[in-house]
Amino acid sequence: KNEVEQSPQNLTAQEGEFITINCSYSVGISALHWLQQHPGGGIVSLFMLSSGKKKHGRLIATINIQEKHSSLHITASHPRDSAVYICAAHNYGGSQGNLIFGKGTKLSVKP
Amino acid sequence: DAGVTQSPTHLIKTRGQHVTLRCSPISGHKSVSWYQQVLGQGPQFIFQYYEKEERGRGNFPDRFSARQFPNYSSELNVNALLLGDSALYLCASSLDAWEQYFGPGTRLTVT
Repeated sequence: KNEVEQSPQNLTAQEGEFITINCSYSVGISALHWLQQHPGGGIVSLFMLSSGKKKHGRLIATINIQEKHSSLHITASHPRDSAVYICAAHNYGGSQGNLIFGKGTKLSVKP
Repeated sequence: DAGVTQSPTHLIKTRGQHVTLRCSPISGHKSVSWYQQVLGQGPQFIFQYYEKEERGRGNFPDRFSARQFPNYSSELNVNALLLGDSALYLCASSLDAWEQYFGPGTRLTVT
């Protein structure tokens, strides 16, 4: 079992739909990242959070430390949101650069 | 400001050869981390360097080595290449080893 699990693996949505991607982790963490990866490989950091909720534009990330669970929400989805979304955990006590990654959720938003 | 840069963008090598990948962090960032992303998987942590010292090492064989230079740029070296080393190699820099900024990656193909 991976230390960081994401669901779903693949997600297809219609433009305008509300999207939720889930991340569960089994290790103690000090922070969790949500990352976006477009075809070609480049990764963009969307959020880093250790508690509560963060919002940036149409993106919202939440984390529940007790339940070891985080969600990424996209409101009013758009085809340009199509990408792979990855959650990555800073393993508590590990090297600060040692992120443990989920396998990613491939999102496709249809017009 | 320039983001994290990596070179080369793409690289094709044959089994048994050696490869050197390069990363230049964002100006002022002192930490560089290296990750390997095999197709269809999330990235895996290889190394982290902070202030020119190795701060963390993932579960990779000794064929993988890295170093960080006085200007904080970094090299990842892989000896005796195997087919399984074919992957996207990502470099990430950070000011304090927490919030990480990713480069575009180097896609290595071993034939």
